[in-house]
Amino acid sequence: AQSVSQHNHHVILSEAASLELGCNYSYGGTVNLFWYVQYPGQHLQLLLKYFSGDPLVKGIKGFEAEFIKSKFSFNLRKPSVQWSDTAEYFCAVNVGDTGRRALTFGSGTRLQVQP
Amino acid sequence: DAGVTQSPTHLIKTRGQQVTLRCSPKSGHDTVSWYQQALGQGPQFIFQYYEEEERQRGNFPDRFSGHQFPNYSSELNVNALLLGDSALYLCASSSRTGKYEQYFGPGTRLTVT
Repeated sequence: AQSVSQHNHHVILSEAASLELGCNYSYGGTVNLFWYVQYPGQHLQLLLKYFSGDPLVKGIKGFEAEFIKSKFSFNLRKPSVQWSDTAEYFCAVNVGDTGRRALTFGSGTRLQVQP
Repeated sequence: DAGVTQSPTHLIKTRGQQVTLRCSPKSGHDTVSWYQQALGQGPQFIFQYYEEEERQRGNFPDRFSGHQFPNYSSELNVNALLLGDSALYLCASSSRTGKYEQYFGPGTRLTVT
């Protein structure tokens, strides 16, 4: 079975600071990788996903993530955060090639952006 | 185009009772997955339904059961509620052809007292 680790539980940044949230997974085979965001009072939304090809993927709202297979990592980055990025961020993984595979989530990172 | 909808929004139950939560998938989706999100944790997979059958199951006891109807909507039932069942229950829908992506509903907040 796969597992996901998010080492930063709570991150506080000032507006315009750069962001990098760590995500490591454990699984020996081919995986699909996701970052979801949960804004206060809202449902989980997909930020970006990787399943093959270019290991640098770009998502919505200026976020990007890099898949480094040798490090089993899929870190989320944003060059300049805004107050509106305050939210909880979850890294997730599944295996297989359809939308019918269960997601395994990390425990999440709470990002607080101060104006 | 309606997204994933869940009902009720909030629910308070007493230990030992039974509860039923409901989910309607996004239009065009035929697969429903249920997740439990405890406070301060990431969602944990409970089970998944498509073609009206349970296809995958996470590490949850038999007290957790479900059903999928011909219109693809789904129910999650929890029997003999425990205090530890208090959580946000999330429904996600996907399709066989919509590669990889699961769309989440707003969740049902269950409080067991």
